[in-house]
Parts: sequence; C-alpha cells; structure tokens
Amino acid sequence: DAMVIQNPRYQVTQFGKPVTLSCSQTLNHNVMYWYQQKSSQAPKLLFHYYDKDFNNEADTPDNFQSRRPNTSFCFLDIRSPGLGDAAMYLCATSREVETQYFGPGTRLLVL
Amino acid sequence: DAKTTQPPSMDCAEGRAANLPCNHSTISGNEYVYWYRQIHSQGPQYIIHGLKNNETNEMASLIITEDRKSSTLILPHATLRDTAVYYCIVRPPGFQKLVFGTGTRLLVSP
Repeated sequence: DAMVIQNPRYQVTQFGKPVTLSCSQTLNHNVMYWYQQKSSQAPKLLFHYYDKDFNNEADTPDNFQSRRPNTSFCFLDIRSPGLGDAAMYLCATSREVETQYFGPGTRLLVL
Repeated sequence: DAKTTQPPSMDCAEGRAANLPCNHSTISGNEYVYWYRQIHSQGPQYIIHGLKNNETNEMASLIITEDRKSSTLILPHATLRDTAVYYCIVRPPGFQKLVFGTGTRLLVSP
C-alpha cells in the first residue's frame, strides 16, 4: 500500500546533540510537510517543501532545518535540541494542494 | 489561528451513531471543511472533506448546513476503535497549511 513512513518511531537524544528525523513516501506526492505536536496540543506546521521549494513558517525556530534530497525523502534536522523540543514530529504529504496524508510520527525525547 | 469551534469532548455508545459538530461561522465561500482524526500516539488520519454539498465515504458522512456556518461529522455505527481526537479544519483552496484547532475527544464505550 502507498504510504508515508517515518523512522524511527521513537528517538532519544541528548540536550544539544544534533538529531535527524526521516520521512519517506511511496505516494509520489510533490509536497511534503513537517508538523510538531507537543503533549496535549494540536499539530503545528513547521515548514513544507513544494517540489524543491522550501517554505518556512514565520514562527519556526532557526534550530529546525529540513532537507529534501529527492521526491521520496524528507529530513528534519534539529541542530541543538532543547528540552522544549520534545514532541511528536509528524510528516505529511500531498499532491499539490489536495488532501494531506500523515505518517505515524516520530516521538522525540530530549534528555 | 483555527477558524473552527468544537466541543472539547463527547461520549458515544458502541454501535450508535456519533455526531460531531463543528462551528465555522466565519467561513468564506471557497473554503473547504476537512475532518481528520488522531488516535492516541498515531498520526492524524484523513476522514472526509466538503465544500457545499453533503459528502459520504466508507468512513463517515459530512453534513454542511446551507449557510455553511456549521457542519456535522457522522460516524454511523461507532466502534471502540473510533475513540480519538477529531479535528475540524477550514482550509482555503490552494492553501498548503492545515491549521488544527483543539478538536473533540470522542470516547466510544461498550
């Protein structure tokens, strides 16, 4: 089945140690998104790629970066994780501006 | 900011219909109403969306009022696996961002 895959499902990192989360998709969608969801809160968009064009949300901290080497893969890099960055990170994809489909998420724990 | 208002929680008995309301009184004529749900510790799952007409798929029905200021998501025969947070989202056409509100926590009980 076509899907959005996120690895790993759980990631533990140390305070200040760079970490990368990955997302891949078999839907061949041209748009990929990264959302952050903190405990008991709703998901919040960090940024998205429309094809190769990167679109950052105005309030996304500089600590968060993203790479999209090809259509299928997208990475979320957190340069210096703080305790406040502990959250579920959700990847989603869409074809153009149509319906977004989400992956299972990666839960990040910062020690 | 989210443009929708939903009750924070609802209960439903297994096998009965679950009717989840959403108020979007400031919706514009070309904005879509989307519904997603999120089961605990999973990613949001797309359910259904609509513009003006009522919509039905294998998961649910979406009823949009004639003035489009509110809508209702109907799960016709709720099961325990339907326990989740349900998000109603208003989205302009051609707009990438999904702005999630606080959602409705639906608890389906035996």
